[in-house]
Amino acid sequence: ELKVEQNPLFLSMQEGKNYTIYCNYSTTSDRLYWYRQDPGKSLESLFVLLSNGAVKQEGRLMASLDTKARLSTLHITAAVHDLSATYFCAPGNEKLTFGTGTRLTIIP
Amino acid sequence: GAGVSQSPSNKVTEKGKDVELRCDPISGHTALYWYRQRLGQGLEFLIYFQGNSAPDKSGLPSDRFSAERTGESVSTLTIQRTQQEDSAVYLCASSLNRGYYEQYFGPGTRLTVT
Repeated sequence: ELKVEQNPLFLSMQEGKNYTIYCNYSTTSDRLYWYRQDPGKSLESLFVLLSNGAVKQEGRLMASLDTKARLSTLHITAAVHDLSATYFCAPGNEKLTFGTGTRLTIIP
Repeated sequence: GAGVSQSPSNKVTEKGKDVELRCDPISGHTALYWYRQRLGQGLEFLIYFQGNSAPDKSGLPSDRFSAERTGESVSTLTIQRTQQEDSAVYLCASSLNRGYYEQYFGPGTRLTVT
């Protein structure tokens, strides 16, 4: 059974700072997805990582995938308030297994 | 274009009653997925459809849960004899096809069993 661990679970960071969220998973998966969820809202797709070494960037967010280490990272550069949300990683194919999420709060 | 839609958005039901949750996927998407999200937690996979068939229903928690899809479009998740532990947000997603395609999520149905 695929298990997914994200850390940290909670993260408060100041605007302008950089930080990384880590996603470790227990069994091989070629694909991994990152989603964002705002309170009371559904999930918004951020990145689809389809192969080992994949790196994708969108604005202040950059995601990478190392399938050999079974690790993905989501790096935040120069955080701004509107990045406050819960971020989920989800390795898998049709059946996605979600991590517990990282609740990110950006403080001025 | 239109995204994934779900109805109802909220449902309050008494313990022991049956409920039906509906999902309308993005037009042309052949794969459809159901997940459940308990308060403050990540999503749990329930079942997915490719066309009208369900190759993987391993996440359905008990035989009180069933789902069907017709016309390679609308899907209904049915929970019989609801229990309080069924209270959660039920999310539906669709993708162009199974496999290397991202899943687009609907707004969810918040189910509360009293």
